[in-house]
Amino acid sequence: AQRVTQPEKLLSVFKGAPVELKCNYSYSGSPELFWYVQYSRQRLQLLLRHISRESIKGFTADLNKGETSFHLKKPFAQEEDSAMYYCALLNRDDKIIFGKGTRLHILP
Amino acid sequence: KAGVTQTPRYLIKTRGQQVTLSCSPISGHRSVSWYQQTPGQGLQFLFEYFSETQRNKGNFPGRFSGRQFSNSRSEMNVSTLELGDSALYLCASSLSPGQGSYEQYFGPGTRLTVT
Repeated sequence: AQRVTQPEKLLSVFKGAPVELKCNYSYSGSPELFWYVQYSRQRLQLLLRHISRESIKGFTADLNKGETSFHLKKPFAQEEDSAMYYCALLNRDDKIIFGKGTRLHILP
Repeated sequence: KAGVTQTPRYLIKTRGQQVTLSCSPISGHRSVSWYQQTPGQGLQFLFEYFSETQRNKGNFPGRFSGRQFSNSRSEMNVSTLELGDSALYLCASSLSPGQGSYEQYFGPGTRLTVT
Protein backbone atom coordinates (compact mmCIF):
# COMPACT_ATOMS: atom_id res chain seq x y z
CA ALA A 1 0.00 0.00 0.00
CA GLN A 2 1.14 3.52 -0.73
CA ARG A 3 1.33 5.47 2.46
CA VAL A 4 2.99 8.48 4.04
CA THR A 5 3.49 8.37 7.79
CA GLN A 6 4.32 11.32 10.00
CA PRO A 7 4.68 9.73 13.42
CA GLU A 8 4.47 12.94 15.44
CA LYS A 9 1.23 14.90 15.63
CA LEU A 10 2.92 17.62 17.65
CA LEU A 11 6.56 18.56 18.00
CA SER A 12 7.68 21.24 20.43
CA VAL A 13 11.19 22.63 20.04
CA PHE A 14 12.96 25.51 21.74
CA LYS A 15 14.01 28.47 19.62
CA GLY A 16 17.56 27.97 18.42
CA ALA A 17 17.43 24.20 18.80
CA PRO A 18 17.59 21.81 15.82
CA VAL A 19 14.36 20.64 14.25
CA GLU A 20 13.64 17.30 12.65
CA LEU A 21 10.19 16.47 11.35
CA LYS A 22 9.93 12.80 10.50
CA CYS A 23 8.36 11.37 7.37
CA ASN A 24 8.37 7.74 6.31
CA TYR A 25 6.79 6.39 3.18
CA SER A 26 5.66 3.09 1.78
CA TYR A 27 5.97 2.87 -1.98
CA SER A 28 7.40 0.43 -4.49
CA GLY A 29 9.42 2.40 -6.97
CA SER A 30 11.09 5.76 -7.01
CA PRO A 31 8.83 8.28 -5.32
CA GLU A 32 8.74 12.00 -5.75
CA LEU A 33 8.45 13.59 -2.32
CA PHE A 34 7.43 16.99 -1.04
CA TRP A 35 7.01 18.98 2.11
CA TYR A 36 4.10 21.39 2.37
CA VAL A 37 3.61 23.96 5.13
CA GLN A 38 0.61 25.83 6.47
CA TYR A 39 1.27 28.82 8.71
CA SER A 40 -1.44 30.10 11.01
CA ARG A 41 -4.25 31.75 9.03
CA GLN A 42 -2.42 31.17 5.76
CA ARG A 43 -2.90 28.79 2.89
CA LEU A 44 -1.20 25.50 2.37
CA GLN A 45 1.96 26.02 0.31
CA LEU A 46 4.80 24.00 -1.08
CA LEU A 47 7.94 24.21 1.05
CA LEU A 48 10.31 22.01 -0.89
CA ARG A 49 10.56 18.98 -3.15
CA HIS A 50 13.28 16.38 -3.07
CA ILE A 51 14.15 16.60 -6.76
CA SER A 52 15.15 20.24 -6.32
CA ARG A 53 17.60 19.43 -3.55
CA GLU A 54 17.17 22.99 -2.32
CA SER A 55 17.11 24.66 1.06
CA ILE A 56 14.08 26.82 1.73
CA LYS A 57 13.88 29.03 4.83
CA GLY A 58 16.79 27.04 6.20
CA PHE A 59 14.98 23.71 5.84
CA THR A 60 16.41 20.75 3.98
CA ALA A 61 15.13 17.26 3.38
CA ASP A 62 17.06 14.27 2.11
CA LEU A 63 15.49 11.24 0.55
CA ASN A 64 16.80 8.06 2.16
CA LYS A 65 15.59 5.19 0.01
CA GLY A 66 17.10 2.58 2.30
CA GLU A 67 15.10 3.81 5.27
CA THR A 68 12.19 5.04 3.08
CA SER A 69 12.35 8.36 4.84
CA PHE A 70 12.24 12.03 3.88
CA HIS A 71 12.80 13.87 7.14
CA LEU A 72 12.68 17.67 7.22
CA LYS A 73 15.50 19.34 9.11
CA LYS A 74 16.59 22.76 10.20
CA PRO A 75 19.66 23.40 12.33
CA PHE A 76 18.29 26.33 14.35
CA ALA A 77 14.56 26.75 14.90
CA GLN A 78 12.97 30.19 14.66
CA GLU A 79 9.65 31.26 16.12
CA GLU A 80 8.24 31.88 12.65
CA ASP A 81 8.73 28.19 11.85
CA SER A 82 5.70 27.35 13.98
CA ALA A 83 3.22 25.81 11.53
CA MET A 84 1.61 22.61 10.32
CA TYR A 85 3.90 20.55 8.10
CA TYR A 86 2.74 17.88 5.66
CA CYS A 87 4.89 15.35 3.91
CA ALA A 88 3.54 14.17 0.55
CA LEU A 89 4.35 11.56 -2.07
CA LEU A 90 3.55 11.62 -5.77
CA ASN A 91 2.86 8.18 -7.14
CA ARG A 92 3.26 6.90 -10.67
CA ASP A 93 -0.42 7.59 -11.35
CA ASP A 94 0.35 11.25 -10.74
CA LYS A 95 -1.74 11.29 -7.56
CA ILE A 96 -0.43 12.99 -4.47
CA ILE A 97 -0.68 11.24 -1.12
CA PHE A 98 -0.36 13.35 2.01
CA GLY A 99 0.70 12.40 5.49
CA LYS A 100 -1.52 13.51 8.36
CA GLY A 101 0.77 16.33 9.29
CA THR A 102 2.91 17.42 12.22
CA ARG A 103 2.28 20.60 14.13
CA LEU A 104 5.60 22.26 14.94
CA HIS A 105 5.54 24.54 17.95
CA ILE A 106 8.62 26.66 18.57
CA LEU A 107 9.00 27.57 22.22
CA PRO A 108 10.57 30.94 23.09
CA LYS B 1 -1.68 38.59 -9.10
CA ALA B 2 -4.80 37.41 -7.30
CA GLY B 3 -4.59 34.04 -5.62
CA VAL B 4 -6.91 31.07 -5.86
CA THR B 5 -10.38 31.94 -4.65
CA GLN B 6 -13.02 29.57 -3.37
CA THR B 7 -16.68 30.26 -2.76
CA PRO B 8 -18.46 29.97 -0.50
CA ARG B 9 -16.06 29.92 2.42
CA TYR B 10 -18.53 28.28 4.77
CA LEU B 11 -21.56 26.12 4.11
CA ILE B 12 -24.03 24.21 6.25
CA LYS B 13 -26.14 21.55 4.59
CA THR B 14 -28.46 18.77 5.69
CA ARG B 15 -27.96 15.07 5.01
CA GLY B 16 -29.34 14.07 1.65
CA GLN B 17 -28.91 17.48 0.08
CA GLN B 18 -26.44 18.29 -2.63
CA VAL B 19 -23.82 21.03 -2.72
CA THR B 20 -21.72 22.84 -5.30
CA LEU B 21 -18.41 24.46 -4.48
CA SER B 22 -16.57 26.84 -6.76
CA CYS B 23 -12.90 27.50 -7.40
CA SER B 24 -11.31 30.25 -9.47
CA PRO B 25 -7.67 29.54 -10.27
CA ILE B 26 -4.85 32.03 -10.58
CA SER B 27 -5.02 33.82 -13.91
CA GLY B 28 -3.19 31.76 -16.52
CA HIS B 29 -3.37 28.54 -14.55
CA ARG B 30 -5.17 25.82 -16.45
CA SER B 31 -5.04 22.93 -14.01
CA VAL B 32 -7.29 22.70 -10.96
CA SER B 33 -7.15 20.00 -8.29
CA TRP B 34 -9.52 19.37 -5.43
CA TYR B 35 -8.78 17.91 -2.02
CA GLN B 36 -10.79 16.93 1.02
CA GLN B 37 -9.31 17.58 4.44
CA THR B 38 -10.72 15.95 7.57
CA PRO B 39 -9.22 15.42 11.04
CA GLY B 40 -9.45 11.65 10.67
CA GLN B 41 -8.25 11.09 7.12
CA GLY B 42 -6.13 14.17 6.59
CA LEU B 43 -5.72 15.60 3.10
CA GLN B 44 -7.03 13.39 0.33
CA PHE B 45 -6.93 13.98 -3.40
CA LEU B 46 -10.35 14.15 -5.05
CA PHE B 47 -9.72 14.96 -8.71
CA GLU B 48 -7.78 17.09 -11.15
CA TYR B 49 -9.10 18.98 -14.16
CA PHE B 50 -7.22 20.35 -17.12
CA SER B 51 -8.67 21.87 -20.27
CA GLU B 52 -12.21 21.09 -19.13
CA THR B 53 -11.39 17.38 -18.78
CA GLN B 54 -10.98 15.29 -15.68
CA ARG B 55 -7.41 14.18 -15.87
CA ASN B 56 -7.14 12.22 -12.66
CA LYS B 57 -9.35 10.98 -9.88
CA GLY B 58 -8.89 9.87 -6.31
CA ASN B 59 -10.72 7.11 -4.47
CA PHE B 60 -14.02 8.77 -3.73
CA PRO B 61 -17.54 7.56 -4.52
CA GLY B 62 -19.42 8.76 -7.56
CA ARG B 63 -21.37 11.21 -5.39
CA PHE B 64 -18.34 13.44 -5.76
CA SER B 65 -18.05 15.01 -9.17
CA GLY B 66 -16.60 18.07 -10.75
CA ARG B 67 -16.20 20.03 -13.88
CA GLN B 68 -14.06 22.74 -15.37
CA PHE B 69 -15.15 25.59 -17.56
CA SER B 70 -13.40 27.16 -20.53
CA ASN B 71 -12.07 29.95 -18.32
CA SER B 72 -10.46 27.27 -16.10
CA ARG B 73 -12.84 27.92 -13.21
CA SER B 74 -13.91 24.68 -11.60
CA GLU B 75 -16.82 23.43 -9.58
CA MET B 76 -17.18 20.33 -7.50
CA ASN B 77 -20.49 18.79 -6.59
CA VAL B 78 -21.39 16.39 -3.82
CA SER B 79 -24.79 14.75 -4.07
CA THR B 80 -26.75 12.97 -1.35
CA LEU B 81 -24.65 14.46 1.41
CA GLU B 82 -23.59 12.28 4.33
CA LEU B 83 -22.38 13.37 7.75
CA GLY B 84 -18.93 12.09 6.85
CA ASP B 85 -18.69 14.61 4.02
CA SER B 86 -18.18 17.36 6.58
CA ALA B 87 -14.72 18.63 5.77
CA LEU B 88 -12.57 21.44 4.47
CA TYR B 89 -12.48 21.27 0.68
CA LEU B 90 -9.36 22.73 -0.83
CA CYS B 91 -8.76 23.71 -4.39
CA ALA B 92 -5.33 24.20 -5.93
CA SER B 93 -4.28 25.53 -9.29
CA SER B 94 -1.13 25.18 -11.34
CA LEU B 95 0.09 26.24 -14.75
CA SER B 96 -0.15 22.80 -16.29
CA PRO B 97 -1.28 19.35 -15.24
CA GLY B 98 0.80 16.89 -13.29
CA GLN B 99 0.82 17.38 -9.58
CA GLY B 100 4.54 17.03 -9.43
CA SER B 101 5.49 19.03 -12.45
CA TYR B 102 4.42 22.49 -11.41
CA GLU B 103 3.87 24.10 -8.06
CA GLN B 104 0.31 24.05 -6.87
CA TYR B 105 -1.19 27.14 -5.29
CA PHE B 106 -3.91 26.47 -2.78
CA GLY B 107 -7.09 28.36 -2.04
CA PRO B 108 -8.39 29.12 1.45
CA GLY B 109 -10.87 26.26 1.32
CA THR B 110 -14.61 25.84 1.78
CA ARG B 111 -15.68 24.52 5.16
CA LEU B 112 -18.68 22.23 4.63
CA THR B 113 -20.72 21.08 7.61
CA VAL B 114 -23.37 18.43 7.09
CA THR B 115 -25.98 18.13 9.82
